[in-house]
Amino acid sequence: QQQVKQSPQSLIVQKGGISIINCAYENTAFDYFPWYQQFPGKGPALLIAIRPDVSEKKEGRFTISFNKSAKQFSLHIMDSQPGDSATYFCAATGTGSARQLTFGSGTQLTVLP
Amino acid sequence: NAGVTQTPKFRVLKTGQSMTLLCAQDMNHEYMYWYRQDPGMGLRLIHYSVGEGTTAKGEVPDGYNVSRLKKQNFLLGLESAAPSQTSVYFCASSYLGSYNEQFFGPGTRLTVL
Repeated sequence: QQQVKQSPQSLIVQKGGISIINCAYENTAFDYFPWYQQFPGKGPALLIAIRPDVSEKKEGRFTISFNKSAKQFSLHIMDSQPGDSATYFCAATGTGSARQLTFGSGTQLTVLP
Repeated sequence: NAGVTQTPKFRVLKTGQSMTLLCAQDMNHEYMYWYRQDPGMGLRLIHYSVGEGTTAKGEVPDGYNVSRLKKQNFLLGLESAAPSQTSVYFCASSYLGSYNEQFFGPGTRLTVL
């Protein structure tokens, strides 16, 4: 059972456009929602994260919007650049002993020049 | 600091062969994790460790064993490889904290024929 559902699977955006990736979760025990960015041939790296006590977090061109009642959160990339082309994973972590991450299925973003 | 390193980077096995993947981290992290990444399925947790000498099962542990004899190393073993274990394997580590950023290694691409 997939506890974190991510969409779309792939996304193509023109340079300067806005990229939006959506995730929905089921487990209300989740209390931390990070986004990871992965370039080809590399391991994922933390991009930005949010806790459920805030509705939005912004870091540069990257913004997470969080809707606790709907159990949904999304990543917005403003002024998308070709260098943003990567695979993006949403994730959620709960109260397990090692605070294990549950990942979404990933979105492959391509930003056209 | 090297961060998280994985050995080997690539490996091809025949069905039934065994092998061990090595993960090493130099950040003095308590927690370590092994994931597998398959197309369209995100990253799935195989096993994890909350400290030296301790291991626990994740979401997809069958067919794998792990050991954490030293704090900085986490080994993933395949006793009898199967084609279904063809995947990219990532190791990650994190510090002991409420909102733990996981640091990932570069991955090992394993093909089982």
